[in-house]
Amino acid sequence: GENVEQHPSTLSVQEGDSAVIKCTYSDSASNYFPWYKQELGKGPQLIIDIRSNVGEKKDQRIAVTLNKTAKHFSLHITETQPEDSAVYFCAAITGANNLFFGTGTRLTVIP
Amino acid sequence: DAGVIQSPRHEVTEMGQEVTLRCKPISGHNSLFWYRQTMMRGLELLIYFNNNVPIDDSGMPEDRFSAKMPNASFSTLKIQPSEPRDSAVYFCASSSGQGGTEAFFGQGTRLTVV
Repeated sequence: GENVEQHPSTLSVQEGDSAVIKCTYSDSASNYFPWYKQELGKGPQLIIDIRSNVGEKKDQRIAVTLNKTAKHFSLHITETQPEDSAVYFCAAITGANNLFFGTGTRLTVIP
Repeated sequence: DAGVIQSPRHEVTEMGQEVTLRCKPISGHNSLFWYRQTMMRGLELLIYFNNNVPIDDSGMPEDRFSAKMPNASFSTLKIQPSEPRDSAVYFCASSSGQGGTEAFFGQGTRLTVV
């Protein structure tokens, strides 16, 4: 099956700085790459996604980039705020529609 | 819609007992996923159903784990017998299954096996 690797596992940034989380995947047939945010005691929630026919997508302070040749994609959060503190997961959907997650990044935004 | 509903929210059981976790997906969704979350291994896909049929159960750790989806509105994950290493948060998620669509997660069931 698909193997999704995510780095770093933890990330601390000062409020207002940018945060970048990187993921790689193994299945070249994967065509959809969502990012989820998980707050304490809750299930993961989708924050942004990108499809394989697009190289970059932006939604306010959040952007994702995708490099299909290298099989990696990244999440960029600019002007971080304390409420951005959470665990972030990247994921990939394979050709069989299975949804595989990375191991997560715990982001802490220091006020 | 109330979203994906899981029950119970918390379960504490003794080693060797049978545990059944329940999930009601969002109405109209035809894909359902069961995940296990631990600090060490993150979110692991256990099994994936499409149109009530198990498509991929390669993530089910061993024969003690079984999952069913008798109809489009209900699924169960059963562990028998349970062991302390099964302690984790178990999530159910559903999607419209069209490939490249958002998966919605339930609140999870925190299982503790003592």
